Amino acid sequence: EVQMLDSGGGLVQPGGSLRLSCAASGFSFSSYAMSWVRQAPGKGLEWVSSISSSGVSTYYADSVKGRFTISRDNSKSTLYLQMNSLRVEDAAVYYCAKGHGVYDWGTDYWGQGTLVTVSS
Amino acid sequence: DIVMTQTPLSLSVTPGQPASISCKSSQRLLHSDGKTYLYWYLQKPGQSPQLLIYELSSRFSGVPDRFSGSGSGTDFTLKISRVEAEDVGVYYCMQGVNLPLTFGGGTKVEIK
Repeated sequence: EVQMLDSGGGLVQPGGSLRLSCAASGFSFSSYAMSWVRQAPGKGLEWVSSISSSGVSTYYADSVKGRFTISRDNSKSTLYLQMNSLRVEDAAVYYCAKGHGVYDWGTDYWGQGTLVTVSS
Repeated sequence: DIVMTQTPLSLSVTPGQPASISCKSSQRLLHSDGKTYLYWYLQKPGQSPQLLIYELSSRFSGVPDRFSGSGSGTDFTLKISRVEAEDVGVYYCMQGVNLPLTFGGGTKVEIK
C-alpha cells in the first residue's frame, strides 16, 4: 500500500524557516518524480515544486524560487522542502505528491498534508 | 503557463442523478507520446486530493466506474453517471504535460 506521511509544518514568523518532510513507502521511491503542492485556507491547489526521480532536476514556482529548495534522499525514501524567508502568503497546507507517469508530471498519491502558518 | 478553467463553480445534485464538470485548457495537453495528460481529482471534506482519472480517461485504481473522463484538444469533461452521497467534495482538473502543474479552480459538488 502506498503511503506518504507529510511532516514538519508549524507556526513560524515572517522571515523564518521550516523544513518539510515526506516519508514514502509502498512503492519504489527512486523511480518516480515527486512534487509539493500547497493549498491556502479555503483556496484551491497551487503547485510549488517538483523534482526528478534521481534528484538531479528541480523546478519551482516563480513565487517560491530562490527561497524554497526541494530535495530527496532515495536511500531513505524521503522528500524534503526547505522553506526560507517565509512570507505570510506562504501559509498553507503543503502536500507531497507522487509522480504518476514516465513522460509527464502528473501525480497520483498525495500525503495527508502538513500545515504551515506564517504569522507574527 | 497553461491556464485551466473549470465550470461550474458549484453543483447540487440529487442522489442517483448524473453530473458533469467541464475543464478547458489554454493549450492542447497532447504529449508527443500521443497521450493527453489531463487529470481529475476529488478532495473530500478535510482530506487530501485523491486521483480519479489520469491521462484523460483512465480510471485510477479503486475508482468506481460511475466516474468517466472524456474530451480532446482543450476541452475536457468529468462525468458521474449516478451521484452518490460519498461523491461530495471539490473536484479539480489538472494538466501534467508541462511544468508548472496547473489546476482548475475547483467545482464543489453537494447533494440535494
